Amino acid sequence: GAVVSQHPSWVICKSGTSVKIECRSLDFQATTMFWYRQFPKQSLMLMATSNEGSKATYEQGVEKDKFLINHASLTLSTLTVTSAHPEDSSFYICSARVGQGAFFGQGTRLTVV
Amino acid sequence: QKEVEQNSGPLSVPEGAIASLNCTYSDRGSQSFFWYRQYSGKSPELIMSIYSNGDKEDGRFTAQLNKASQYVSLLIRDSQPSDSATYLCAVTPDYKLSFGAGTTVTVRA
Repeated sequence: GAVVSQHPSWVICKSGTSVKIECRSLDFQATTMFWYRQFPKQSLMLMATSNEGSKATYEQGVEKDKFLINHASLTLSTLTVTSAHPEDSSFYICSARVGQGAFFGQGTRLTVV
Repeated sequence: QKEVEQNSGPLSVPEGAIASLNCTYSDRGSQSFFWYRQYSGKSPELIMSIYSNGDKEDGRFTAQLNKASQYVSLLIRDSQPSDSATYLCAVTPDYKLSFGAGTTVTVRA
C-alpha cells in the first residue's frame, strides 16, 4: 500500500517552545493530507485538512495560530505546535487520501514538560 | 447524533472464536466504508474497505455492508491474540473520513 512517513516518532519539549512534525508521502503525490490528534483511550480527532499550495482548513475549536500547517509540496505537509503547553501533549497523526481510502503516518508522540 | 457509532467494548473473545464488530453511520450519502486496526501506541492501519452492499472477505476478515440500514460490520474468524487491538470504523460522507470511537477487542488465549 501507499506509504506515509511521519517524523519524529516521539518528541519531548519544554513548555513554551515550538515543535515541528513532518508528514511525507513517499511513493505518491498527496494534494490533501489530514492531521489528527488522539488522546489516550480516545478516538482520532480531526484537527485540520492540509491542502497543497493553499491554506489549511481547520476544524471547529482548533486554533489555527497555535497549530500551524504548511503544505508546500505534493509530498510534504508540516504541523508546527507553537508555544506548546502540557495540555498539548498527545499523539499526533497525519494521513493522506489514496483513492477511496486513507493511509496513516506512524504518528508522533508529543510530550510537553 | 454522532456521524459514526461503534460499541466501545471491550469485546473479549476466546482464541479461535469469531469476533463480531458493529458500526452504524448517519449520513446516507456515504459511499465508502473502512475498517482500521490500531494497536496501542500505534497509528491506524487499513484492514478492510467495502463500497457495495453485501459481504467482502479477505483472509480471516469479512466486512458486511447494508446501506439501507446504514450498518457496516466486521467479522474476525479464528481470532488470534495478535488480533487484540482497537478497531475503528470509518466512512466518507464527504472528502474527509469520519471515524467511530473504536471497539477494543481482547482475544484471550
